[in-house]
Amino acid sequence: RKEVEQDPGPFNVPEGATVAFNCTYSNSASQSFFWYRQDCRKEPKLLMSVYSSGNEDGRFTAQLNRASQYISLLIRDSKLSDSATYLCVVKSRSGGSNYKLTFGKGTLLTVNP
Amino acid sequence: DTAVSQTPKYLVTQMGNDKSIKCEQNLGHDTMYWYKQDSKKFLKIMFSYNNKELIINETVPNRFSPKSPDKAHLNLHINSLELGDSAVYFCASSHGQDKRDTQYFGPGTRLTVL
Repeated sequence: RKEVEQDPGPFNVPEGATVAFNCTYSNSASQSFFWYRQDCRKEPKLLMSVYSSGNEDGRFTAQLNRASQYISLLIRDSKLSDSATYLCVVKSRSGGSNYKLTFGKGTLLTVNP
Repeated sequence: DTAVSQTPKYLVTQMGNDKSIKCEQNLGHDTMYWYKQDSKKFLKIMFSYNNKELIINETVPNRFSPKSPDKAHLNLHINSLELGDSAVYFCASSHGQDKRDTQYFGPGTRLTVL
């Protein structure tokens, strides 16, 4: 089982649609969780951290279920500019007090006019 | 101002050559990283340095040698390049190693080995 698995996608949705991405992780000792966004041929950029209580940032809502080792991202009222690859990212210990990020393969979203 | 910068942006070279990629961050961060994103788009950590000391080495061939002259710079030297080394290499930095520290990525170096 991969450490971080995401919906394979791709997702093609019309503007204004609501789209949800799912992610599961295998390391139950993982400490922190994030969604990153990567535009074509660009670097990944942090979209939002994910907390157990769930968190919202404008049109974006992230949820974490530690018991199920499941993370989700909901995008409401999709915009053309939301088109990108969304990366589920898990932070876990890598020996001693060091942490490392493990990335999912990403889910490609295309929002169509 | 660019927070994390890398040079060169593109690198095309022959198999067997030795090449270096440079990374600099002006964020005052203590921790820097090298990642590799291959043709299947998986982004994987290679190395991490904290205050110029190597703290993570993820079973990367020893043809890859990171060097951190100071905590604002982390360079990657690759010896005897192979076809499989073709990928995009991203440098990143973070304030520290706390579990909530955000990593900021450079623009990437697209390496093509012919």
